[in-house]
Amino acid sequence: QVHLQESGPGLVRPSETLSLTCTVSGGSVSSNTHRWSWIRQPPGKGLEWIGYVSHSGSTKYDASLKSRVTMSVDTSKNQFSLRVTSVTATDTAVYYCARHYGSSLDFWGQGTLVTVSS
Amino acid sequence: DIQMTQSPSTLSASVGDRVTITCRASQSSGNWLAWYQQKPGKAPILLIYKASNLEMGIPPRFSGSGSGTEFTLTISSLQPDDFATYYCQHYNIYSESYTFGQGTKVEMK
Repeated sequence: QVHLQESGPGLVRPSETLSLTCTVSGGSVSSNTHRWSWIRQPPGKGLEWIGYVSHSGSTKYDASLKSRVTMSVDTSKNQFSLRVTSVTATDTAVYYCARHYGSSLDFWGQGTLVTVSS
Repeated sequence: DIQMTQSPSTLSASVGDRVTITCRASQSSGNWLAWYQQKPGKAPILLIYKASNLEMGIPPRFSGSGSGTEFTLTISSLQPDDFATYYCQHYNIYSESYTFGQGTKVEMK
C-alpha cells in the first residue's frame, strides 16, 4: 500500500517562501509510471491543483500559480517537494500531496495546514 | 482552460435514496474525468476514474457515466457513510493540467 506524508512548517510569514516535502513509502518516486502532484484546499473551500513533478524532474504547474511555484523530486530520499514564493493570506490552505494513476489521483497524503500570518 | 461546473452544490437526501451529481465541462473533454469523496478533515478518496471505472475497494453502489461535456456520479442507494462532499476532476490531455469542480455536499435530509 502506497503511503504519502506531507511535512513542513505550519506557519509562514507573508512575503516569505512556503516549503513542503512529501515522503513516499510503499512506492517509488523513481517510477516512470506515475507523476506526483500537489493540491491545496483553502479553509471551507474546494480543491485546487497546484502542479506535478515526474520521476525525471519534469514539471507542470497550474497557470494561476506558475510564477511562484517550484516542484522537485529527490529519488535518493523517495521524496518530492513544493516551494511557493511571496506568499499571502490567500495561500493559507491544507496542502495535499498525491500520486497520479493515469488521469486521476489514487493515493493522497493526509494533508498539512499551512497558515500565512505575521 | 476547461471549466468544470458541478450541480447541485448541495443535495439533501435520505438513507436509501438514489443520488445523482452532475459535472459539466465547458468544452468536450473525452472521458478524462474522475470522482472523489471527501469527508471533513480527511483527504479525498478516488471513487471513479476515466468517467466510469470503479476504483478498487469502492462499493458498487457508486457508478459513473458520461463523456464529452456531461458526466454523472450516481449512488444507487445512499448509505450513512456516504454523507460527504463529492468532487469531479478533469484532466486536459492537451495542456496536461487538472481541474476540479467546485464540489457537491450530500447532506442528510
